[in-house]
Amino acid sequence: QKEVEQNSGPLSVPEGAIASLNCTYSDRGSQSFFWYRQYSGKSPELIMFIYSNGDKEDGRFTAQLNKASQYVSLLIRDSQPSDSATYLCAVMNSGYSTLTFGKGTMLLVSP
Amino acid sequence: DAGVIQSPRHEVTEMGQEVTLRCKPISGHNSLFWYRQTMMRGLELLIYFNNNVPIDDSGMPEDRFSAKMPNASFSTLKIQPSEPRDSAVYFCASSPGTGLTDTQYFGPGTRLTVL
Repeated sequence: QKEVEQNSGPLSVPEGAIASLNCTYSDRGSQSFFWYRQYSGKSPELIMFIYSNGDKEDGRFTAQLNKASQYVSLLIRDSQPSDSATYLCAVMNSGYSTLTFGKGTMLLVSP
Repeated sequence: DAGVIQSPRHEVTEMGQEVTLRCKPISGHNSLFWYRQTMMRGLELLIYFNNNVPIDDSGMPEDRFSAKMPNASFSTLKIQPSEPRDSAVYFCASSPGTGLTDTQYFGPGTRLTVL
């Protein structure tokens, strides 16, 4: 059973702070990793993906990957109230193009 | 591009009735996915099609669920007979292909309530 684990939260941060979201996965053969954002009542939308060890930056978002530790994280700099949502970590399963999703971490950014 | 289109957006039905959910993937995308999302279980993959062929249906909960993709621009997910425990949001997603970086794009979802 391939598993993706996330802290359900809520993670509460003040506006302007850095939010750090974490994810661990069980499938050691996984090659690519995706972060989706889901607002309440809406569908998941892609923030970014990463497939190489290290950091990948896109605007205020930085994804970090450590395959040896089977750990992925998402940092959100200068958090805004509009970032308040549930963040889903998804891992592409080895041998397929299917994704296994974590249950998500709820982020609350207070003004 | 219009994105992934799903219908209906909301469906309320009674236990035992047949339910059909519909999906139009993004034009040119070769892969299509049906997911179910509940608070308890999160987002679960039900079935995955590639080039209209079902590749992985291991997530389909039981024989009451069936899915078809008769052509590249249309897919259906059918539940017959429906049960209250089928109440969930059902998402359809599509992606350009099967590469490591091929992103899945989600439709708006169908909120199903079975009374």
